[in-house]
Amino acid sequence: DQQVKQNSPSLSVQEGRISILNCDYTNSMFDYFLWYKKYPAEGPTFLISISSIKDKNEDGRFTVFLNKSAKHLSLHIVPSQPGDSAVYFCAARVASNYKLTFGKGTLLTVNP
Amino acid sequence: NAGVTQTPKFQVLKTGQSMTLQCAQDMNHNSMYWYRQDPGMGLRLIYYSASEGTTDKGEVPNGYNVSRLNKREFSLRLESAAPSQTSVYFCASSIRYQPQHFGDGTRLSIL
Repeated sequence: DQQVKQNSPSLSVQEGRISILNCDYTNSMFDYFLWYKKYPAEGPTFLISISSIKDKNEDGRFTVFLNKSAKHLSLHIVPSQPGDSAVYFCAARVASNYKLTFGKGTLLTVNP
Repeated sequence: NAGVTQTPKFQVLKTGQSMTLQCAQDMNHNSMYWYRQDPGMGLRLIYYSASEGTTDKGEVPNGYNVSRLNKREFSLRLESAAPSQTSVYFCASSIRYQPQHFGDGTRLSIL
């Protein structure tokens, strides 16, 4: 059973516009969520995270929103840049647990 | 600043052969992890080591063994490789519950 779901395998956006990547989860015990970005032939790199005590966290062009009642989080990238083209993974963990559960990823393509 | 270093980067094995994937981190992190990534799948945890001297199974441990050699190094061993273990393997490290830092992966093909 997939506990973290990224239902859109791919997303294409024009440079300068907003990119919105979505993630749903089923385990109500998850209380910490992360987004990772991955370029081809490289390892994932940490982008931004959010704790369940918050509903929004912002870092520059990147904002993550958390809706606990809907078990849904989203990553907003504004404005999108061609260098943002990558696979984005949503991940979640339970409190006091090292283990991360990852979604399958969404391939973002930002067109110039 | 190397971060997490994985060796080798590529490897081709025959079914039944054994192999050890090496991982080392220079960030003084306590925790280390091994994941595998298959096409169309997210990363799945194979084993992790919360601290030096401890190891625990993740989601997909069958067919693998690990050794936390010291604080810096965490190796993954395939005793008898099977085609189903063809994958990209990532090692990661972290300070306790902080975000994990990943290596660039080992691409393993088993024929």
